[in-house]
Amino acid sequence: NAGVTQTPKFQVLKTGQSMTLQCAQDMNHNSMYWYRQDPGMGLRLIYYSASEGTTDKGEVPNGYNVSRLNKREFSLRLESAAPSQTSVYFCASSRGGGADTQYFGPGTRLTVL
Amino acid sequence: GQQLNQSPQSMFIQEGEDVSMNCTSSSIFNTWLWYKQEPGEGPVLLIALYKAGELTSNGRLTAQFGITRKDSFLNISASIPSDVGIYFCAGQRGSYNTDKLIFGTGTRLQVFP
Repeated sequence: NAGVTQTPKFQVLKTGQSMTLQCAQDMNHNSMYWYRQDPGMGLRLIYYSASEGTTDKGEVPNGYNVSRLNKREFSLRLESAAPSQTSVYFCASSRGGGADTQYFGPGTRLTVL
Repeated sequence: GQQLNQSPQSMFIQEGEDVSMNCTSSSIFNTWLWYKQEPGEGPVLLIALYKAGELTSNGRLTAQFGITRKDSFLNISASIPSDVGIYFCAGQRGSYNTDKLIFGTGTRLQVFP
């Protein structure tokens, strides 16, 4: 039982390049989330998926797209990376259906030059 | 977007001392969560609070759900070096279709032997 896994752990991109961050959970959770963490800002929600087949914008969705591939996997795509997207990205999952505990992955550290 | 006000921003304490931190909001929350994040890792849940006035302990950690539903407190007794990390509060409004969390900006704790 690995919990929430993310790949890659580190990535460096040039401005304008695209990439997809992968996230998978093996806890049979319904809801999944993508956050970004910047110094002094805490974690901010980018997109979330309350259940398989649905996605919704969070607080800071601009410049990102997501895909809930199946119940286990939720990917985050940067179509044209910008230096402002340099951050640490965390995926999380929860059972869903109301107030519920979220479990986090180890994070992806992304640098955009 | 809304973030919770968390204080202090950082603490430098001697091993064995007690620690207190708090989180406040202008809005009411139905759930308060406290997470700890160590370097290079994702946040890990420490304590979850579900009722106003609730006081819950987890070993040397004690957290309280404020009676106004707009604040929460975390205390660590007899700190040890492995308590080092960033502590985040998070609030949930607990609406039906989403588990969206709003995070505080974090309290960075350093413990000196």
